[in-house]
Amino acid sequence: ETGVTQSPTHLIKTRGQQVTLRCSSQSGHNTVSWYQQALGQGPQFIFQYYREEENGRGNFPPRFSGLQFPNYSSELNVNALELDDSALYLCASSLDSGFVGTDTQYFGPGTRLTVL
Amino acid sequence: AQSVAQPEDQVNVAEGNPLTVKCTYSVSGNPYLFWYVQYPNRGLQFLLKYITGDNLVKGSYGFEAEFNKSQTSFHLKKPSALVSDSALYFCAVRVPASGGSYIPTFGRGTSLIVHP
Repeated sequence: ETGVTQSPTHLIKTRGQQVTLRCSSQSGHNTVSWYQQALGQGPQFIFQYYREEENGRGNFPPRFSGLQFPNYSSELNVNALELDDSALYLCASSLDSGFVGTDTQYFGPGTRLTVL
Repeated sequence: AQSVAQPEDQVNVAEGNPLTVKCTYSVSGNPYLFWYVQYPNRGLQFLLKYITGDNLVKGSYGFEAEFNKSQTSFHLKKPSALVSDSALYFCAVRVPASGGSYIPTFGRGTSLIVHP
């Protein structure tokens, strides 16, 4: 098991609502990434935070936003939920070594979001 | 744009036999390549990565992968499969982008089933 935790485990929302998902990074890690994994698909990169700044973003609309806190924990916020937002949301933490892209990510168990 | 293909949705192998899970990629530039495993209702677990150097990479649980630049492949292998290896396997590629960031891209996953 990794030291990455996510909350809540499961969540049910209705279309148009807003949701906040939380992630606690593994101790010593300064980078956190968020992914969306739809059923039967591979994870899709949403964005990454390094030392509280967003430093990479995938093809997701602005209603997906995030925060990283000084203790390197993180939040994913999704506004105006749509049915297609139903998915497993994964958080991954890593220690940036200075060599971009080479870090090993450690994933949390995910939050299963269902939008009705 | 970068992409990853896992051409087999499912691979079946008998316990004790060698296994191969295929991955091919398409990138501009030098890729960093990763393999992850996902068990039901769990997050992804890192298996191994290729950054540079020796084309044969050894990872966790007896898995290894060979980077083949001419064939743009990074197949995952294990000499002797175990029933406990049954899981979903994901290949991923990263290419450093401008500004010290990168966008990771995952394949759709291959379900490995090891029969007793």
